[in-house]
Amino acid sequence: ELKVEQNPLFLSMQEGKNYTIYCNYSTTSDRLYWYRQDPGKSLESLFVLLSNGAVKQEGRLMASLDTKARLSTLHITAAVHDLSATYFCAVETSGSRLTFGEGTQLTVNP
Amino acid sequence: DAEITQSPRHKITETGRQVTLACHQTWNHNNMFWYRQDLGHGLRLIHYSYGVHDTNKGEVSDGYSVSRSNTEDLPLTLESAASSQTSVYFCASSEFGQGAADTQYFGPGTRLTVL
Repeated sequence: ELKVEQNPLFLSMQEGKNYTIYCNYSTTSDRLYWYRQDPGKSLESLFVLLSNGAVKQEGRLMASLDTKARLSTLHITAAVHDLSATYFCAVETSGSRLTFGEGTQLTVNP
Repeated sequence: DAEITQSPRHKITETGRQVTLACHQTWNHNNMFWYRQDLGHGLRLIHYSYGVHDTNKGEVSDGYSVSRSNTEDLPLTLESAASSQTSVYFCASSEFGQGAADTQYFGPGTRLTVL
């Protein structure tokens, strides 16, 4: 059974600071997705990582994938309040199915 | 614009009643998925479909059923609602990447309360 673990689960940070969210998974996969969810809203796709060493960046967020270590990271640079949300990683298994981590609830304080 | 919609957005029902949640997508995607979201569990897969007349059980399928009679719709039925099925339900669809990225696009969700 595939397990996907995110840490931390809760993250409170100050504006302007940097931090990293980690996503570990227990079985081989070359595809990993990051989603964002605002309170009471749906999930929005952020990044798709398709191979070992893949790195994607959008604004203050950068995601990377190390398939050998079974680890993905989501790095936040100079956080701003608008980044407050819950972030999920999801690992793709056969047949396009996704297994999600628990999510990391990020709060950026002024 | 193509989209994925869910109805109702909120539903309150009683234990033992049958409930059907609707999901409709206009992307013409082959794949459709149903998830439930609960605190401490992230999203868990209930059922999924790769095309018309195809349905498959996910991680937490007990007490739920789906049917796929056309490309656009995948309704989720709770045969006899239980309090443990109180949750937020999300429908998603993807194209079936055939080697390319197969991002799932999510509907707005249905908040179901079983009393």
